[in-house]
Amino acid sequence: GAVVSQHPSRVICKSGTSVKIECRSLDFQATTMFWYRQFPKQSLMLMATSNEGSKATYEQGVEKDKFLINHASLTLSTLTVTSAHPEDSSFYICSAMGTGELFFGEGSRLTVL
Amino acid sequence: DAKTTQPPSMDCAEGRAANLPCNHSTISGNEYVYWYRQIHSQGPQYIIHGLKNNETNEMASLIITEDRKSSTLILPHATLRDTAVYYCIVRVMEYGNKLVFGAGTILRVKS
Repeated sequence: GAVVSQHPSRVICKSGTSVKIECRSLDFQATTMFWYRQFPKQSLMLMATSNEGSKATYEQGVEKDKFLINHASLTLSTLTVTSAHPEDSSFYICSAMGTGELFFGEGSRLTVL
Repeated sequence: DAKTTQPPSMDCAEGRAANLPCNHSTISGNEYVYWYRQIHSQGPQYIIHGLKNNETNEMASLIITEDRKSSTLILPHATLRDTAVYYCIVRVMEYGNKLVFGAGTILRVKS
């Protein structure tokens, strides 16, 4: 089946720094990818829709200047958490659409100290 | 997208069939029923989807009622590795259309 890969799987950073998470579709092209965030014992919350070659569409309440999304190619989308703070610590998951269904990456766990 | 209702948790004995229900009484005619599961600290895994006919693949079977207002995911022989959160989602199958997750059902398979 289709594979979506995320990198890094875990990252620890200091408060105030920026962190970039990559999401790649390995064996298919995806003009649209999605970014989710998940806090412990909660469901996935959609943050934004990433569109290749255009600006991302953010869900209500998600700060676009804090969570920068770039979808520069048909197989790569990146999420940059800018000026990270401890409350940004979470599990970030991307997904990309194959033929009919969405496939998800393994997730990236961000811990901000 | 239509909302879904799932029980918060279920237990199942190892080797037995796990039947996970989902209500989607406001589903539209062009909305598909999708099932995903999430094992702890991993990304969600696609299981199966269907429109109105029952579907089966190597992982599970999906039974959709005739009025399409509810469905059941069946794992025929549950194993301990099937312990996960199972999400039932209804969505129009259109490229670029997002997937919105509800609370899901925690399935615990016990030996």
